[in-house]
Amino acid sequence: AQTVTQSQPEMSVQEAETVTLSCTYDTSESDYYLFWYKQPPSRQMILVIRQEAYKQQNATENRFSVNFQKAAKSFSLKISDSQLGDAAMYFCACISNFGNEKLTFGTGTRLTIIP
Amino acid sequence: DGGITQSPKYLFRKEGQNVTLSCEQNLNHDAMYWYRQDPGQGLRLIYYSQIVNDFQKGDIAEGYSVSREKKESFPLTVTSAQKNPTAFYLCASSIVRGGPRETQYFGPGTRLLVL
Repeated sequence: AQTVTQSQPEMSVQEAETVTLSCTYDTSESDYYLFWYKQPPSRQMILVIRQEAYKQQNATENRFSVNFQKAAKSFSLKISDSQLGDAAMYFCACISNFGNEKLTFGTGTRLTIIP
Repeated sequence: DGGITQSPKYLFRKEGQNVTLSCEQNLNHDAMYWYRQDPGQGLRLIYYSQIVNDFQKGDIAEGYSVSREKKESFPLTVTSAQKNPTAFYLCASSIVRGGPRETQYFGPGTRLLVL
């Protein structure tokens, strides 16, 4: 079984600044995938970024990047040049590459952008 | 336009009534999922289906039922046995279940309220 922990219920950042959201996970598998999803006020879940555990290189998507520390089971999301449209709930999630493991979500971090 | 549609956006249920939430995808994805989201919590898996005419229970299947008669459709019925159905329901799909193509994409959601 997997667990995902997001220890920051709320975060805020000044517009144009950089913010890092934390996520730790636990899994017994060696091959798995990690995700960050964004849920804006519309409540639709939008994929932000994906990381494959067997890849050492940190994933990057435009202003979004991750710091993947496999030994520490840490998967933080960095948002650079924060924009008002980044305001949302952010969920970290994990799934094993084997068997019938489900996509396990953390409880989310609410990000507020201060103009 | 490829994507996942859910209807209705809002649904009201009377005591003892069964209601059905619609989920349709035109992404040609094999796997489909239903999640429930309660305030302050992450997503919890209700049911999933990897192929037509086959589906499996998730973590909180009691009080819910599904069918998968067509690849593109995965309706969820909230039965009268579900005593606390008020929640936000999200449908998702992925190319296949498991492996590198597991990435799940979500619909806009249905908000279910009990009258």
